[in-house]
Amino acid sequence: DAKTTQPNSMESNEEEPVHLPCNHSTISGTDYIHWYRQLPSQGPEYVIHGLTSNVNNRMASLAIAEDRKSSTLILHRATLRDAAVYYCILRDVYSGGGADGLTFGKGTHLIIQP
Amino acid sequence: GAVVSQHPSWVICKSGTSVKIECRSLDFQATTMFWYRQFPKQSLMLMATSNEGSKATYEQGVEKDKFLINHASLTLSTLTVTSAHPEDSSFYICSAARARGPGGVGSYNEQFFGPGTRLTVL
Repeated sequence: DAKTTQPNSMESNEEEPVHLPCNHSTISGTDYIHWYRQLPSQGPEYVIHGLTSNVNNRMASLAIAEDRKSSTLILHRATLRDAAVYYCILRDVYSGGGADGLTFGKGTHLIIQP
Repeated sequence: GAVVSQHPSWVICKSGTSVKIECRSLDFQATTMFWYRQFPKQSLMLMATSNEGSKATYEQGVEKDKFLINHASLTLSTLTVTSAHPEDSSFYICSAARARGPGGVGSYNEQFFGPGTRLTVL
């Protein structure tokens, strides 16, 4: 799987938007961009994923650069419950179809200040 | 949504004993389940891939005789840590894959994670 680079940590204030960046300059044409998050002492949970177009769901938005070498996870209005480690993961559409395990990097530790 | 449970949520055992951890997909069938391990302040590391009805596939460096995996049904996979030692103390997390889409290129398996099991070996 192609490598991703994320900042180790970010800090934001409650009820403000948060933009979490991810660089994936070696992304291939068949790589989906996935975001998962892990709350303290819990298993990871899926946040969002995309291939080329920007995506929105009830949890977040995903903005994908035109060249796909970077993406940004957007939390529109952060709450204290959003404090977690956020992982940006690339999954090849072929291996994803074959159900391979995920490769987690270090992720970004998001700190939310009240 | 898809729910995956793990049991127990935490366990403390003596060195040399074996511990079994269960992973269940509660509302869907999962032909493939995965086992991860997470040490404090570190990221999740894939240990093995568990396929229903066949032998598990272990990642490099993971001892298959120490971490026994059984995937006897489409909703249950178990991980047994045999002869546990303090260095096996970790957070063990499973995930279950559910197919999304009709299959083939362009479809993929979503992974749903369990809440994790905290193992402490004294």
